[in-house]
Amino acid sequence: DVKVTQSSRYLVKRTGEKVFLECVQDMDHENMFWYRQDPGLGLRLIYFSYDVKMKEKGDIPEGYSVSREKKERFSLILESASTNQTSMYLCASSFRLKPEQFFGPGTRLTVL
Amino acid sequence: AQKITQTQPGMFVQEKEAVTLDCTYDTSDPSYGLFWYKQPSSGEMIFLIYQGSYDQQNATEGRYSLNFQKARKSANLVISASQLGDSAMYFCAMREGWGGSEKLVFGKGTKLTVNP
Repeated sequence: DVKVTQSSRYLVKRTGEKVFLECVQDMDHENMFWYRQDPGLGLRLIYFSYDVKMKEKGDIPEGYSVSREKKERFSLILESASTNQTSMYLCASSFRLKPEQFFGPGTRLTVL
Repeated sequence: AQKITQTQPGMFVQEKEAVTLDCTYDTSDPSYGLFWYKQPSSGEMIFLIYQGSYDQQNATEGRYSLNFQKARKSANLVISASQLGDSAMYFCAMREGWGGSEKLVFGKGTKLTVNP
């Protein structure tokens, strides 16, 4: 079974802190994605990566950065957390040229 | 402009009845794919069904079927014989293009409640 894991289910941080959200997949997927989910807005793509050390901006990259040093791991970084980044963050992965994305359980981040 | 539109914020259905969740999409790309995901209250996104733009037949997976009407740009999800466990958020999503750009664009979702 495909497994996508995220480092925390719940996280509480303070404004201005640097925050790392980690995502690991065990299926040798080339593509990895970070989304945020807010009520009434659905899922919005923050960043994605189609190979190690490669990254592309999604629809809402402002205030975020990413790192992909290994194929199985994709990190989302909030350089200086703000209250408007309080959200559910979902990581996903997929094979290149295959349509289905597999999602992790999500991290609910609260920034105080 | 929204690329994926789900016009039903909430839907109710009686257990064992069928329900249709609406999804319309907007793209000028001839090659695209349409997905439905289920998100229970636990938060995980579960892949349900996929339809490619060139697929001749409507996709089916068990109790789920996708009513694909290309000319109308609609991709409605039909759930037959609803079960209490079907209560969840349902998201329609689209992938445009092919070969290296597997980004998905999601709709805002429909909350389905199955009543006993």
